[in-house]
Amino acid sequence: DVKVTQSSRYLVKRTGEKVFLECVQDMDHENMFWYRQDPGLGLRLIYFSYDVKMKEKGDIPEGYSVSREKKERFSLILESASTNQTSMYLCASSLNRDSRTDTQYFGPGTRLTVL
Amino acid sequence: AQKVTQAQTEISVVEKEDVTLDCVYETRDTTYYLFWYKQPPSGELVFLIRRNSFDEQNEISGRYSWNFQKSTSSFNFTITASQVVDSAVYFCALSEAPGGGADGLTFGKGTHLIIQP
Repeated sequence: DVKVTQSSRYLVKRTGEKVFLECVQDMDHENMFWYRQDPGLGLRLIYFSYDVKMKEKGDIPEGYSVSREKKERFSLILESASTNQTSMYLCASSLNRDSRTDTQYFGPGTRLTVL
Repeated sequence: AQKVTQAQTEISVVEKEDVTLDCVYETRDTTYYLFWYKQPPSGELVFLIRRNSFDEQNEISGRYSWNFQKSTSSFNFTITASQVVDSAVYFCALSEAPGGGADGLTFGKGTHLIIQP
């Protein structure tokens, strides 16, 4: 079974703090993704990565950065957290971009509140 | 640009009723991939099905079935004899990438399904 884990289920931070959200997958997947989920908006892609040290912007990258130093770990960074970044953050991974049977598998999510 | 529309924001039915969740998509690519995910109250998205654009066969898995119709750009999901455990938010998603889920998915806004006992 694919296992995607996220470092925290719930997180409360203050405006202006630097926030790290960590995601780890244990299936040697090449691709990893960060989404945020907001009521009425569904899931929106923030960043994704095809390989170590590679990153691509998604639909809403503003205010975020990412880091992928190791294949199994993909970090989402909020350089200076703001209240409009209060959201549910979901990490996902998938095997290989060239695979026709590829599917994204999701972690349990981190509910971030910025006060 | 790709787009997924789930027009039903919330559906409430009584247990054992059949229920269909609608999904309409837009894409300019001739090859694309459609997905359904379930998000129970615990929050984790659970993968249900993946369908490739070149395979229009309908799929049945137990009480779940999916109807893919390219002519109407729809990929609807039916639960037969619904159960309380089916209560969740269901998301339809689309990818245009050759690798299927290898690029970011475009999600619909989800349908909140409530099964009443």
